[in-house]
Amino acid sequence: TQLLEQSPQFLSIQEGENLTVYCNSSSVFSSLQWYRQEPGEGPVLLVTVVTGGEVKKLKRLTFQFGDARKDSSLHITAAQPGDTGLYLCAGVTTGGNTPLVFGKGTRLSVIA
Amino acid sequence: GAVVSQHPSRVICKSGTSVKIECRSLDFQATTMFWYRQFPKQSLMLMATSNEGSKATYEQGVEKDKFLINHASLTLSTLTVTSAHPEDSSFYICSAPQGTGVRQYFGPGTRLTVT
Repeated sequence: TQLLEQSPQFLSIQEGENLTVYCNSSSVFSSLQWYRQEPGEGPVLLVTVVTGGEVKKLKRLTFQFGDARKDSSLHITAAQPGDTGLYLCAGVTTGGNTPLVFGKGTRLSVIA
Repeated sequence: GAVVSQHPSRVICKSGTSVKIECRSLDFQATTMFWYRQFPKQSLMLMATSNEGSKATYEQGVEKDKFLINHASLTLSTLTVTSAHPEDSSFYICSAPQGTGVRQYFGPGTRLTVT
């Protein structure tokens, strides 16, 4: 069974601070996705990283895929209250039409 | 982008009754859909894989007779929670892969409360 260890599970920071969320596995994934979920809604895809060592930026969010495609990180610069939410990493196994392997999620609270 | 809808968005039912949740892919066909359950402040847990025209595949520990899945068409999968109990109260989310399946689209979820 492939597992994704996501940390930290909870994070409460002040507006303007930086933070990093980690997602680690002993398994190799063909790609890794990051989602953000608001209460009472489904997850919304933020980014997909495919190539080992890949770095993608989405405004103040920076996503990195490890060289071995076993780990990933999400870094938020100058966090804002609007960044508050549940962040989920999800591993994509080989091929299509297979379920995602989700990490336990990181609940981020940014205090103004 | 592709859209997946769920109906209803919220449902409250009495213990012992059955509840049907629908998951529809609105502008694409999906031979496979996935059903997840999410408890408060937790991540998504895969319950089952719904396959169009064949039986669903259930994850270990998920009772197939309690959570009935029917994937009758390429755009619709239904999850029926039979003889619901308060411990079945949860947020149920479906997803559907499009094309090669790497990109999955999630429904908005259904909040089930069993009283």
